[in-house]
Amino acid sequence: EPEVTQTPSHQVTQMGQEVILRCVPISNHLYFYWYRQILGQKVEFLVSFYNNEISEKSEIFDDQFSVERPDGSNFTLKIRSTKLEDSAMYFCASSQDSLPGNTIYFGEGSWLTVV
Amino acid sequence: AQSVAQPEDQVNVAEGNPLTVKCTYSVSGNPYLFWYVQYPNRGLQFLLKYITGDNLVKGSYGFEAEFNKSQTSFHLKKPSALVSDSALYFCAVRGGANKLIFGAGTRLAVHP
Repeated sequence: EPEVTQTPSHQVTQMGQEVILRCVPISNHLYFYWYRQILGQKVEFLVSFYNNEISEKSEIFDDQFSVERPDGSNFTLKIRSTKLEDSAMYFCASSQDSLPGNTIYFGEGSWLTVV
Repeated sequence: AQSVAQPEDQVNVAEGNPLTVKCTYSVSGNPYLFWYVQYPNRGLQFLLKYITGDNLVKGSYGFEAEFNKSQTSFHLKKPSALVSDSALYFCAVRGGANKLIFGAGTRLAVHP
């Protein structure tokens, strides 16, 4: 069964450093997403991406964050200057289209620890 | 604004007994509702969804969910719980075209 894959599974970084989290969405999907889950809290939407541009973003997704689809398969989330509060599990997800009944499939997550 | 509530932080059930994990929602317009499961140190796995049609939706691993419009609920159920069902369960509602809005999650503990 096709799945969303994410790398790295776990990254430890120093405060102020740049981090890039990588994702390979399901191959025939057109919509891509990043969500995050701070330890013990609910899963929160960060951003959605379609046709090489951001289609929606949350208040969390400020200027420190950016997304990119550098080639035909990868989808990346960059955090420019990490803060302690960026420590969280980051989930990449994808869906075939944006219809509200369409299922969004999630990857295993990248656990980011900022020290 | 769309929102989801999962009133129980944890549900404890004995193996073999039926289980229910509760979810209520608030939406404007038609609700599109989802259940996901998160096993320890794993990602979110899709279980089932309600779009329209039958109020009883069947999903993966023997789970089902009942949509109740008058009570604005979408409770997850399973007739006979397994120890391996122990995990974190999230209810979610589609909040516009591009995102899911998740509840806080309910930890299900199935005891042998």
